[in-house]
Amino acid sequence: DQQVKQNSPSLSVQEGRISILNCDYTNSMFDYFLWYKKYPAEGPTFLISISSIKDKNEDGRFTVFLNKSAKHLSLHIVPSQPGDSAVYFCAAWGSNYKLTFGKGTLLTVNP
Amino acid sequence: DVKVTQSSRYLVKRTGEKVFLECVQDMDHENMFWYRQDPGLGLRLIYFSYDVKMKEKGDIPEGYSVSREKKERFSLILESASTNQTSMYLCASSLPPRGRKPNEQYFGPGTRLTVT
Repeated sequence: DQQVKQNSPSLSVQEGRISILNCDYTNSMFDYFLWYKKYPAEGPTFLISISSIKDKNEDGRFTVFLNKSAKHLSLHIVPSQPGDSAVYFCAAWGSNYKLTFGKGTLLTVNP
Repeated sequence: DVKVTQSSRYLVKRTGEKVFLECVQDMDHENMFWYRQDPGLGLRLIYFSYDVKMKEKGDIPEGYSVSREKKERFSLILESASTNQTSMYLCASSLPPRGRKPNEQYFGPGTRLTVT
């Protein structure tokens, strides 16, 4: 049973435009959400997070939105840059103290 | 800078061999994790440890064991490697949660294991 779902395996956007990566979850016990970014041949690196008591968190070009009633979160990257091309993983954290990851979305930003 | 190192970037082993994957972190983190990453399946937790000599099963522990004799080192052991264990293995470490907020997990570069 997949508790964290990233339904788009890939996304392609033009440089300078907005990238929107989506994530859905099923477990209402999750109360913290994180996004990780992974380049090929490297380990994932933390990007941004949000607590379930908030609906938005912003850090520079990156903003995460949380819709708790819909069990949905999204990562917005504005403006997108070629260096943002990577796999993005959504992860959720809850009462069992483990991170549950989605399958990832490959973002390609075209110059 | 937090550093998580893994003993090998690439490893090729034969079916039935015993395989050791080593992970070392230099930030005195209590928590350490082993994941595998497979195309279309994302990151899946194999085992984690929240203290020396402590371990907990993750979501896919079958066929694996772990050892944590020292705080900085967390080893993943494949007792008898099989071809379905061909994968990218990622180690991570973190501080314990702060109340209801997790701490960031820092990942190593990964070990690409091929079992033939």
